Parts: sequence; structure tokens; C-alpha cells
Amino acid sequence: QVQVVQSGAEVKKPGASVKVSCTTSGYRFINYGLGWVRQAPGQGLEWMGWISPYNGDTDYALKFQGRVTMTTDTSTSTVYMEVRSLRSDDTALYYCARYNSNWYLDYWGQGTLVTVSS
Amino acid sequence: DIQMTQSPSSLSASVGDRVTITCRASQGITHSLAWYQHKPGSAPNLLVFAASRLESGVPSRFSGSGSGTDFTLTISSLQPEDFATYFCQQYNTFPRTFGQGTRVEMK
Repeated sequence: QVQVVQSGAEVKKPGASVKVSCTTSGYRFINYGLGWVRQAPGQGLEWMGWISPYNGDTDYALKFQGRVTMTTDTSTSTVYMEVRSLRSDDTALYYCARYNSNWYLDYWGQGTLVTVSS
Repeated sequence: DIQMTQSPSSLSASVGDRVTITCRASQGITHSLAWYQHKPGSAPNLLVFAASRLESGVPSRFSGSGSGTDFTLTISSLQPEDFATYFCQQYNTFPRTFGQGTRVEMK
């Protein structure tokens, strides 16, 4: 069955970077895109962008362009998301989720809590 | 960006109640809407896609309806395991956008 497993919680200082991983299994990795969504405390869900494991193409939400990079490792069926120049308002639960062929998110990871604090 | 307005933000209900949650898009999205259930500490779970199609394995007490700008998720008879947060997402255009969520609490 399809599984999406994310890396563990991180605590970072303002200005630092964080790289979250998302390892998938149970399907052919290159056939489906993967998206990233975050939820800050008390806030709604915010779409950050997505990546195609087939060719590495990415599309980032405007507010994250220049500060977020998504990459893939097809040898381990893993996608990564790096967020640079962290601020306190980047404190959030970050989710990775698979895009199915009809372009909605069908399988989600368990979330990775990133805390930015001095 | 398409704004998704979900209501109510929370509701209290009892087991057996019929629950209705609505989601309104700021512009037409045809049928490109999904509903998810989210419990703390767990991954969100897809319930409905294409506005009204039930994901495999989802109990039939869940149903979705609507098209264009107005959508509804209905739980026909609330069960103890249904107390959770529900949110909608449009996938008609990028950036994908979400409703703010509806927390279904026990009365």
C-alpha cells in the first residue's frame, strides 16, 4: 500500500535552514508528483509548492519563491524540502503529500514539526 | 488566488446527528474539490474527490455535493470516530488553496 513517511521534528534558530525529507513506498515514485503543505499554530493549511519526481520540475507558491527548494532522490523514492532564512513565523507542521493522476492530494505524510526559536 | 471559505469553523454534535459543512470558492472551480478528515497527530485522510466521489474505503455515511463555487460535505449519522477536523481543497488552479477547516466536537 502507498506510504508517505516524513523525517522527525526539528528545532532551528532564526536565520538557519531546515531540510525535511519525505520517503514514499508502495507505488512507482516517478509517476506521481509530491506537494508540500504547512500549518502554522492556529492557522489553516497553506500550499507551498510541488515537485515532479519524473523530471524535477517544481512550482512554488509566490511567497516561498527564493526561500524554498524542493528536490528528489529517485534512488530512495524520497523528496526533500529545504527552507532557508527561517523566521519565527515559519514555525509550523509541514506535510508532504502525493498528487494522484487527477491532481488532488491522495496520500499524506504524518507531518514534521519545525520550530523556529532563539 | 482562489479563496476557499469554509463554514462553520466549529460545531458541536452528538453521535447519530447529521452534520453539514460548506465550502465556497471565490471563483468557479467546476468539480475540482476534495474533502479531508484530519485528526491530531495523524496524516490527513482523503474522503471525497471531484466534489462528490467517495474515496475507496470511506464509509458511505460521508457524501459530497456541489459544483462551481458552492460545495457541501455531509455526514449522515455521526459516529464516535468522526470527531475530527474537516477541510476542503480546490485543485482547479495553482496555487492550491484550502478552507480554514471545521472542527467537529462532541456535544
